[in-house]
Amino acid sequence: DIQMTQSPSSLSASVGDRVTFTCRASQSISSYLNWYQQKPGEAPKLLIYAASTLQSGDPSRFRGSGSGTDFTLTINSLQPEDFATYYCQQGYSTPHTFGQGTKLEIK
Amino acid sequence: VQLVQSGAEVKMPGESLKIACKVSGYSLNSFWIGWVRQMPGQGLEWMGIVYPGDSKVTYSPSFQGQVTLSVDRSTSTAFLQWSSLKASDTAMYYCARHAVVGYFDYWGQGTRVTVSS
Repeated sequence: DIQMTQSPSSLSASVGDRVTFTCRASQSISSYLNWYQQKPGEAPKLLIYAASTLQSGDPSRFRGSGSGTDFTLTINSLQPEDFATYYCQQGYSTPHTFGQGTKLEIK
Repeated sequence: VQLVQSGAEVKMPGESLKIACKVSGYSLNSFWIGWVRQMPGQGLEWMGIVYPGDSKVTYSPSFQGQVTLSVDRSTSTAFLQWSSLKASDTAMYYCARHAVVGYFDYWGQGTRVTVSS
């Protein structure tokens, strides 16, 4: 299985900040990398697929980048509704494993 | 597009269980349907996917032999089942529509399964 490692595991930030999360794959996954947002008590929501394509309806302050083994998710100008847990997932080979998540908390 | 899951379940160890995910709003045969486990306070785990067109299933090795994925095309419903539950199966289970390039774009609301004696 391909292992996905996210860092940091948690992050504190303020409304209006810019934050960056990273996700590393244990082997090259080309651009088959997806990002999800999950709020407490809710199902995960797809934010970005294929490393950098924003899912329809998602705000443009979310930006994904990377290829191969190293990927980043950047949120510009944090909004109150952005405080959640973010997961990366590889879609390169089954099982399409998830990272362990990064919890974004309000400072 | 909607995926609507069956309600919460409380079971005893050793019991069997089948939970459902009814899909609507798109052609069932156009997408795989996947299942994701989330144990209490933990992250997401990819369990497997089933293709409604021919019922082909791909399991994660971690779940192979532990669960069975299936689909009933006549009712547009996917199923996740256990033959003998364990306490460690206690979790929230999500179904989701699986795109060819590996992402889940629409999710069910989740089914909470509690296994306790």
